[in-house]
Amino acid sequence: QVQLQESGPGLLKPSETLSLTCTVSGASISAFYWGWVRQPPGRGLEWIGYIYYTGRTNYNPSLKSRVTMSLDTSKNQFSLKLNSVTAADTAVYYCARDGVPSIDDYYYGLDVWGQGTTVTVSS
Amino acid sequence: DAVMTQSPLSLPVTLGQPASISCRSSQSLVYSDGNTYLSWFQQRPGQSPRRLIYKVSNRDSGVPDRFSGSGSGTDFTLKISRVEADDVGVYYCMQGAPWPTFGQGTKLEIK
Repeated sequence: QVQLQESGPGLLKPSETLSLTCTVSGASISAFYWGWVRQPPGRGLEWIGYIYYTGRTNYNPSLKSRVTMSLDTSKNQFSLKLNSVTAADTAVYYCARDGVPSIDDYYYGLDVWGQGTTVTVSS
Repeated sequence: DAVMTQSPLSLPVTLGQPASISCRSSQSLVYSDGNTYLSWFQQRPGQSPRRLIYKVSNRDSGVPDRFSGSGSGTDFTLKISRVEADDVGVYYCMQGAPWPTFGQGTKLEIK
């Protein structure tokens, strides 16, 4: 079955760049959309964006100016960069298989999730 | 952007009793292709979210048939026919197009 695993630094200082990688097993990243979702401590879920293997991206408008997503098909990984972080970016970051509206009966949007990784921004 | 509003935010339920969560959107969720991309997620304590329902009423693989989704346009409901201890957690609705937005979450607990 499809499994995702996030990795990356857990502690950042304000103004630094958050960099996370998601390793996918059980599926080729060239076949689906892949996304990131975050959850601040004790709060709800916020979609960050997705990337498709063609390089097509779609970002949450509230984060768009600071977000970059990329993928490495040779390693079956995709990545998130969020620059100029502040304490408000402290959260658990999840990678997930994402999806877009299509003629298919099945909708892939956020149907498989990683276990999440905690990122803390503190001076 | 569609704002998703859930109610109640806290839901104490007796084991074996039904439960219902409402989700309302600030605008119709019928997409240009005629489909409605409304999903429900369960997040058990300390776990990642898990999708239960997609496109309003389609259960994901492995989801018990105690869970059902319904609704149309701007009003949607997740129902659990008989609550079990394993159902404790926070439930989120999410609209998926043109970009996903989540409801605030409903915390289900056992009374």
